[in-house]
Amino acid sequence: SQTIHQWPATLVQPVGSPLSLECTVEGTSNPNLYWYRQAAGRGLQLLFYSVGIGQISSEVPQNLSASRPQDRQFILSSKKLLLSDSGFYLCAWSASLGYNEQFFGPGTRLTVL
Amino acid sequence: QKEVEQNSGPLSVPEGAIASLNCTYSDRGSQSFFWYRQYSGKSPELIMSIYSNGDKEDGRFTAQLNKASQYVSLLIRDSQPSDSATYLCAVNPNGSSNTGKLIFGQGTTLQVKP
Repeated sequence: SQTIHQWPATLVQPVGSPLSLECTVEGTSNPNLYWYRQAAGRGLQLLFYSVGIGQISSEVPQNLSASRPQDRQFILSSKKLLLSDSGFYLCAWSASLGYNEQFFGPGTRLTVL
Repeated sequence: QKEVEQNSGPLSVPEGAIASLNCTYSDRGSQSFFWYRQYSGKSPELIMSIYSNGDKEDGRFTAQLNKASQYVSLLIRDSQPSDSATYLCAVNPNGSSNTGKLIFGQGTTLQVKP
């Protein structure tokens, strides 16, 4: 069966510091991968998605970036965090062929102070 | 702008009642529809998928899709306090089948009172 991991689970960072969040998927090959942010009491905002290694599409302009160095690894980064980057970051995967069901990881709660 | 709309609630129902959650979407060409449950502080969990008009039942959950009217609903029978959560509606819009992108509604908070 497929499993999706995210770490760390929680993170407190000062404004201006760098960020690296990692997501890995097990039990499937060539998944579509997604990064979402959920601000407190808000819906899911799609940040990036990837259909293959090195292929990244950005949904919204921001100071975040994403990379996919391996088939089942997805990384979210920032060089300098802003207060507005605080939120619940969720990684998700879907099968490249199928009905587009997305499955979420446990998430990383980021607080920028 | 492709949109998915849900009433934010909270929707409050007594234990044992039927909870009815509704969602409308703007892209008439949408093909896949999903309901996710999200407990406070946790990540969303897929509970139902529906792809064709009509009803789809899974245990106490029934998803209903009406493409002509562009709405999808979720019925929860015999509601339990453990069903208290935020329910997110998600739609795979036309042209996104190869990327799997979904558009999510803001979610409806359900409270089941014992």
